Amino acid sequence: GAGVSQSPSNKVTEKGKDVELRCDPISGHTALYWYRQSLGQGLEFLIYFQGNSAPDKSGLPSDRFSAERTGGSVSTLTIQRTQQEDSAVYLCASSSRLAESYEQYFGPGTRLTVT
Amino acid sequence: AQSVTQPDIHITVSEGASLELRCNYSYGATPYLFWYVQSPGQGLQLLLKYFSGDTLVQGIKGFEAEFKRSQSSFNLRKPSVHWSDAAEYFCAVGARTALIFGKGTTLSVSS
Repeated sequence: GAGVSQSPSNKVTEKGKDVELRCDPISGHTALYWYRQSLGQGLEFLIYFQGNSAPDKSGLPSDRFSAERTGGSVSTLTIQRTQQEDSAVYLCASSSRLAESYEQYFGPGTRLTVT
Repeated sequence: AQSVTQPDIHITVSEGASLELRCNYSYGATPYLFWYVQSPGQGLQLLLKYFSGDTLVQGIKGFEAEFKRSQSSFNLRKPSVHWSDAAEYFCAVGARTALIFGKGTTLSVSS
């Protein structure tokens, strides 16, 4: 089947504006993750959804960042009042069964540039 | 705290030569270990994984990795590198709800 898809692939926004990034996980995958990849920081975990459980938001860097997952499938990562330091590639991943493996499948990412 | 260290930021290997990328981890329990590869402008592709059992694991594209508990290492190897292997390689350890990644090693292949 199709892999993880993300949109848009590139986003340029002005400082102070809000942005929404979308992730479509692999069909049937119950777990969904957001990561941020930036120069000098590598890959950082942001947030994790598993089924209907409360999300693990421990990686979100500030309260300007939020995410939701509707119907256990599509997820949207929202960044409010964007700052230049938010410029990065935002990667989404999904996995099928947390109890047995942490094997995650990644999307191509959204490159966010804040000017 | 859990962490992953990839000591080599950048490695250059001649085409056809062997390759070894180093990875050391710190993890409290039996680790779930992964190697991912990222080509320019692409997402992360899983090369191989270790959960338990045989400590030498085979992956895609001719890669293998060996888990050594005594050394807390999970080094990636390939006997003969191809130009298409030029990419960034990430080692990761499974955590409760997320993967913890090393900073990555950039592989260049010279002709």
